[in-house]
Amino acid sequence: DQQVKQNSPSLSVQEGRISILNCDYTNSMFDYFLWYKKYPAEGPTFLISISSIKDKNEDGRFTVFLNKSAKHLSLHIVPSQPGDSAVYFCAASRNTGNQFYFGTGTSLTVIP
Amino acid sequence: DADVTQTPRNRITKTGKRIMLECSQTKGHDRMYWYRQDPGLGLRLIYYSFDVKDINKGEISDGYSVSRQAQAKFSLSLESAIPNQTALYFCATSDIPGQGITGELFFGEGSRLTVL
Repeated sequence: DQQVKQNSPSLSVQEGRISILNCDYTNSMFDYFLWYKKYPAEGPTFLISISSIKDKNEDGRFTVFLNKSAKHLSLHIVPSQPGDSAVYFCAASRNTGNQFYFGTGTSLTVIP
Repeated sequence: DADVTQTPRNRITKTGKRIMLECSQTKGHDRMYWYRQDPGLGLRLIYYSFDVKDINKGEISDGYSVSRQAQAKFSLSLESAIPNQTALYFCATSDIPGQGITGELFFGEGSRLTVL
């Protein structure tokens, strides 16, 4: 049973606009959430994380929002750039860093 | 050089053959993991190890075994490969979270396995 879900397999956005990637989870015990970015033929690379004690974390163009009551998190990329085109995975864990559960990924295409 | 190195990067084999995928890391992390990626299924955990004497099954361990030969080395074996084990396999490491360490995963570049 998929505990972390990304319901949009793909997303296309114009360069300069905002990209919003969504993720839902079912396990209320999850307390640590991460976003990873993956280019073809490469391993996923860590992008940004958020602890359940926060509702927002920002790092440059990337912001992650966490809504615990809705069991939902989102990644905002502003402004989007063509180099952001990749597959984005969200992941969650209990007890901050034990077993990680990944979503199925969203393929983002930023159109120049 | 990559901090997390996987070998081989690509392998084609036949049903019933024994296959070993190897992972080595220079990050000094205690925790190591093996994931597989399949289209539409994301990354699923096969096995993980929190130190040399600790091995744990993940979500999909059936048909796989692992060996933690040293802190820096974690290998994944398919004793008798079958076609539905065709996938992209990733090794990952993490530090122990706490005291400002967030414990995120660091991935290797992946090993693409095809079982005919």
